[in-house]
Amino acid sequence: KAGVTQTPRYLIKTRGQQVTLSCSPISGHRSVSWYQQTPGQGLQFLFEYFSETQRNKGNFPGRFSGRQFSNSRSEMNVSTLELGDSALYLCASSPDSPSMNTEAFFGQGTRLTVV
Amino acid sequence: DQQVKQNSPSLSVQEGRISILNCDYTNSMFDYFLWYKKYPAEGPTFLISISSIKDKNEDGRFTVFLNKSAKHLSLHIVPSQPGDSAVYFCAASAEGTYKYIFGTGTRLKVLA
Repeated sequence: KAGVTQTPRYLIKTRGQQVTLSCSPISGHRSVSWYQQTPGQGLQFLFEYFSETQRNKGNFPGRFSGRQFSNSRSEMNVSTLELGDSALYLCASSPDSPSMNTEAFFGQGTRLTVV
Repeated sequence: DQQVKQNSPSLSVQEGRISILNCDYTNSMFDYFLWYKKYPAEGPTFLISISSIKDKNEDGRFTVFLNKSAKHLSLHIVPSQPGDSAVYFCAASAEGTYKYIFGTGTRLKVLA
């Protein structure tokens, strides 16, 4: 079974631009979560999508948004990029029901550098 | 406000000995806890988890202990191997969500 696939792996953008990152979850998984990892803040939860609906949201500004498609693939978008948005963005894929206490599986991440 | 804390940024252990990684949390609503291992430039890899209804879970060389009254969990790796050298993150979630709150990580180095 293929794992979580994130594209692109590396990205360099200029301040003020916007960026879209993509995540394909494990086949059969309907929940996709996004995390930002920075050296200073560690791994921080951005949002979670399930069946095309945002189910949970972290404490990030509105410049960070996401969506999920009917095939469970997800994209996240960051508008008006700032230098502080430079980070490793990780996508995690999970089965249907979190009440089953099952773990999330992470992709390799997209390294975004804002210059 | 750091709800999940890993107070030891790094730990060095001799090969074959026990590695003990610690994690503390403050939110009593957390009911599911996980440990992930991470290598540089890769995503975290799931290791082991524990539900709040248990106080111990074991999987091969890895055992997680949960002390709810102290709001503390620990990961024991026995015996430690050089391939275990990585950054270890504990994470917690509440009320059956996939919103994980992560600690800041502990870098484990297993010396051959």
